[in-house]
Amino acid sequence: GAGVSQSPSNKVTEKGKDVELRCDPISGHTALYWYRQSLGQGLEFLIYFQGNSAPDKSGLPSDRFSAERTGGSVSTLTIQRTQQEDSAVYLCASSPRGGAVVYGYTFGSGTRLTVV
Amino acid sequence: KNQVEQSPQSLIILEGKNCTLQCNYTVSPFSNLRWYKQDTGRGPVSLTIMTFSENTKSNGRYTATLDADTKQSSLHITASQLSDSASYICVVSSTDSWGKLQFGAGTQVVVTP
Repeated sequence: GAGVSQSPSNKVTEKGKDVELRCDPISGHTALYWYRQSLGQGLEFLIYFQGNSAPDKSGLPSDRFSAERTGGSVSTLTIQRTQQEDSAVYLCASSPRGGAVVYGYTFGSGTRLTVV
Repeated sequence: KNQVEQSPQSLIILEGKNCTLQCNYTVSPFSNLRWYKQDTGRGPVSLTIMTFSENTKSNGRYTATLDADTKQSSLHITASQLSDSASYICVVSSTDSWGKLQFGAGTQVVVTP
């Protein structure tokens, strides 16, 4: 596609339920990132995939969070046993290579997650 | 402590007026600094990117400056338009880490008629 696509755009879930957020990066982009943006806060790094390398998971806030990237393309961020503090906008970004420092990101429009 | 601080937190300006947003950072070693515009309900869109050797970069009515010595950047919006209403985010990257960009909390700009 022409841009980074995220789905769903909005998700309301009950506390304790599991949710899956999807990201379709730009075709050919080998690097994919997940960020979280809480109300009034800056973007918080969650996880980084680069090609077939082991992902950098150092930003995941707890073991309830996990992500995978299948076939080097689509990525799914899973949050288990959701808590109210998980409510945020989850943004996905991709870049042509691991060099986001040089090439820059393209962000998706995000998934707004509300845990009630 | 956040390594990227932005000010003001929010700003209301009249259509046609100019404004300047500030970004101070402590990220080191410095690689580059970007300004993003984020419309409500949308992902951030890059406006400018500056490396250590660049001290000014323009994109239409947006002009960013960088002082790598004082670790300060500004984003100047000239002749503001209603469509400039958005959050403006300063993002700083380090040569040490590819994915862990440091994001400021953003400045919310509201342009009124």
